[in-house]
Amino acid sequence: GAGVSQTPSNKVTEKGKYVELRCDPISGHTALYWYRQSLGQGPEFLIYFQGTGAADDSGLPNDRFFAVRPEGSVSTLKIQRTERGDSAVYLCASSLGQFQETQYFGPGTRLLVL
Amino acid sequence: SQQGEEDPQALSIQEGENATMNCSYKTSINNLQWYRQNSGRGLVHLILIRSNEREKHSGRLRVTLDTSKKSSSLLITASRAADTASYFCATDANDYKLSFGAGTTVTVRA
Repeated sequence: GAGVSQTPSNKVTEKGKYVELRCDPISGHTALYWYRQSLGQGPEFLIYFQGTGAADDSGLPNDRFFAVRPEGSVSTLKIQRTERGDSAVYLCASSLGQFQETQYFGPGTRLLVL
Repeated sequence: SQQGEEDPQALSIQEGENATMNCSYKTSINNLQWYRQNSGRGLVHLILIRSNEREKHSGRLRVTLDTSKKSSSLLITASRAADTASYFCATDANDYKLSFGAGTTVTVRA
């Protein structure tokens, strides 16, 4: 079936604004992950959902970042009071289950905070 | 923080040659995965090797894992222009959270 999709592809916002990034995982995948990738770096873990609950949010950099997955499928990453340092590519991935499964990544959302 | 570290940072080879890149990591792992990324966007999964495996093949790809040295290598044989990309190793120490290195940028010259 279809792969992981993310919207929007690109988002330009001004410092201080609120943004929402959406992720549609592969149908049937119970695990969903958010990562952030800065220029020239590898992705860094933000948060992991198993079903509807956030099983591990230890990678969220501060309380301006929040993510939800209310029905266990689509997830939204929310960033309040954006800062220039939040500029990065935000990647979403999903996998069948929890244990040692391949994570399939979406194309990412490139966020630019001016 | 990033656990994996790829070497070299960049690699330029002629089409048809083999490309080898290495990954070192710091802590015990359950598995190690290699990904390819084109143009800084989505990552494509290449291969997963579990901690009890030493070598895996997939098409033109060969991955080795040495848990005693905490290192892995990715070999791409008979490279093509389409292999031009960044390659990342990612370690899984706890069954879900992947830790990525900074990647190796591979350029295949025609």
